[in-house]
Amino acid sequence: TQLLEQSPQFLSIQEGENLTVYCNSSSVFSSLQWYRQEPGEGPVLLVTVVTGGEVKKLKRLTFQFGDARKDSSLHITAAQPGDTGLYLCAGALVDYKLSFGAGTTVTVRA
Amino acid sequence: SAVISQKPSRDICQRGTSLTIQCQVDSQVTMMFWYRQQPGQSLTLIATANQGSEATYESGFVIDKFPISRPNLTFSTLTVSNMSPEDSSIYLCSVQGDTRGEQYFGPGTRLTVT
Repeated sequence: TQLLEQSPQFLSIQEGENLTVYCNSSSVFSSLQWYRQEPGEGPVLLVTVVTGGEVKKLKRLTFQFGDARKDSSLHITAAQPGDTGLYLCAGALVDYKLSFGAGTTVTVRA
Repeated sequence: SAVISQKPSRDICQRGTSLTIQCQVDSQVTMMFWYRQQPGQSLTLIATANQGSEATYESGFVIDKFPISRPNLTFSTLTVSNMSPEDSSIYLCSVQGDTRGEQYFGPGTRLTVT
């Protein structure tokens, strides 16, 4: 059973468009991570959010942690083909394990 | 962040055989994790491996099927035993980062069982 519900499952957009991926749960997490994974590689950590209401920016990517630390969103502005990949959110549990969302496959068409 | 390597990167194995996957880290880490991932899907935790103690397995995974070794703070192995086609998957190791919840992943081992 996945504690984190991630949506949408698939997202295909044109280069230059914006996109948002959502990660929701009824559980409270001490921190939440976003990863991007490309075919044939392991997930790469993009960001960690810890404080409720926290907003972090990484170039064209904006990450937000909900006030109650139960949900998060990833927004990409002016998407580029290099943003294509599988995006995974993961919530940290008390014993250092991670609970992963189902993932969002993002395809940015040139 | 830690640099993690895995061997082999991929393998094709016969049903009924076993494969041992190695995970090497460039720094000493306390906690290591092993995951399974179907292509295009999310990650499922198999077990947590701490040096000096028995691995802790998640529900649905047992030591007889997935024995794990953790001989020191930079190395671990996962064996997939008595393989069946259902074991075809990507196997990933990860290590705990500095911040609670952060994990860094190896490149994965793509296993195909025929």
